[in-house]
Amino acid sequence: RKEVEQDPGPFNVPEGATVAFNCTYSNSASQSFFWYRQDCRKEPKLLMSVYSSGNEDGRFTAQLNRASQYISLLIRDSKLSDSATYLCVVNIRGGSYIPTFGRGTSLIVHP
Amino acid sequence: ETGVTQTPRHLVMGMTNKKSLKCEQHLGHNAMYWYKQSAKKPLELMFVYSLEERVENNSVPSRFSPECPNSSHLFLHLHTLQPEDSALYLCASSPLVQGPANTGELFFGEGSRLTVL
Repeated sequence: RKEVEQDPGPFNVPEGATVAFNCTYSNSASQSFFWYRQDCRKEPKLLMSVYSSGNEDGRFTAQLNRASQYISLLIRDSKLSDSATYLCVVNIRGGSYIPTFGRGTSLIVHP
Repeated sequence: ETGVTQTPRHLVMGMTNKKSLKCEQHLGHNAMYWYKQSAKKPLELMFVYSLEERVENNSVPSRFSPECPNSSHLFLHLHTLQPEDSALYLCASSPLVQGPANTGELFFGEGSRLTVL
């Protein structure tokens, strides 16, 4: 079983749609969770951290379910500029806490 | 302007060449990472350095050799690579690496795109 799993997509949605991505992780000792965004041929950049109580940043909402070991990202009112790959990142506990990436979910927002 | 700078941005090399990738961070971070990104695969952690000591090596082939002379600089020395090593190599830094309080936020450079012929 992969440590961090994501549906690669692509998710193809019209502007204004609401879209949700899930990510599951296998290590129950994982401590911190993140969503990164990666544009084509660019480096990943932090989109938002994911807190146990859930958190919101504008059109983006992230949630964590520790019991089921998954995190989610909800994007409301999708914009063309949201088209990117969204990477789930989990700090996996080994000797230290190492950021471990999922393979990413591709989102395409069309007019 | 990125706080993490990688050079070269593009590199083409033969299988018998020796080359190096360089990474420099201007953020005052304590940890630096090398990740490999191949098409259709997740980012693969290659090496982590914390306070200039290697914290984790993810069973990377010996043809990749990291060097971290200080907390601001990280190198990846390449020797006798294979065509399957062609990928985007991303350097990242973070404030700290050990302990559950690690926020985990990574700051990436723009990457070095490597092609091995």
